[in-house]
Amino acid sequence: EDQVTQSPEALRLQEGESSSLNCSYTVSGLRGLFWYRQDPGKGPEFLFTLYSAGEEKEKERLKATLTKKESFLHITAPKPEDSATYLCAVQVALYSGGSNYKLTFGKGTLLTVNP
Amino acid sequence: DGGITQSPKYLFRKEGQNVTLSCEQNLNHDAMYWYRQDPGQGLRLIYYSQIVNDFQKGDIAEGYSVSREKKESFPLTVTSAQKNPTAFYLCASSWTGNQPQHFGDGTRLSIL
Repeated sequence: EDQVTQSPEALRLQEGESSSLNCSYTVSGLRGLFWYRQDPGKGPEFLFTLYSAGEEKEKERLKATLTKKESFLHITAPKPEDSATYLCAVQVALYSGGSNYKLTFGKGTLLTVNP
Repeated sequence: DGGITQSPKYLFRKEGQNVTLSCEQNLNHDAMYWYRQDPGQGLRLIYYSQIVNDFQKGDIAEGYSVSREKKESFPLTVTSAQKNPTAFYLCASSWTGNQPQHFGDGTRLSIL
């Protein structure tokens, strides 16, 4: 069974204090790993897709990396507006050789950045 | 602006009642999805559709039904058979099955 585990469950930082969020996964045939940001009462907002080990993506203060077993979301010098729940999801094919895919989500990391 | 519109934002259901959640997208995406989000749990897939007039069950389809008569619309009906319907429901769409999914802002369903 595909599993996605995010840690920590919650993280509290001071403004400017850099840190990393972890997403570890066990899946059969990873097709992609996605990071989303979710604000309270809103739908997830797409951040990054990573497709292969060693790949990195950056956007403003966020940088996502991928290995064969986990992904990290690095937050450099965070600001209070970075406070949100960050979701990780892995994509696998529903059937071997098929074109239907499924996302399995982790439970998320609640990030709070204090001014 | 292109996007995904879910309505209503809040919905209340009485015991034994069916309710329908609306999801409309103007992104011209082929694939659409419905997820359920409960506190402390990851998003769970209810139904998905890759093309018009075709849809597949996800991990937790019992007590739910969908239709896909138009490319831009994918309504979800929560039937009286769903015994624990209180949750935050999210609709998503994507270009093809392996492209990033983009989400609407959800409908929160509660039981009266």
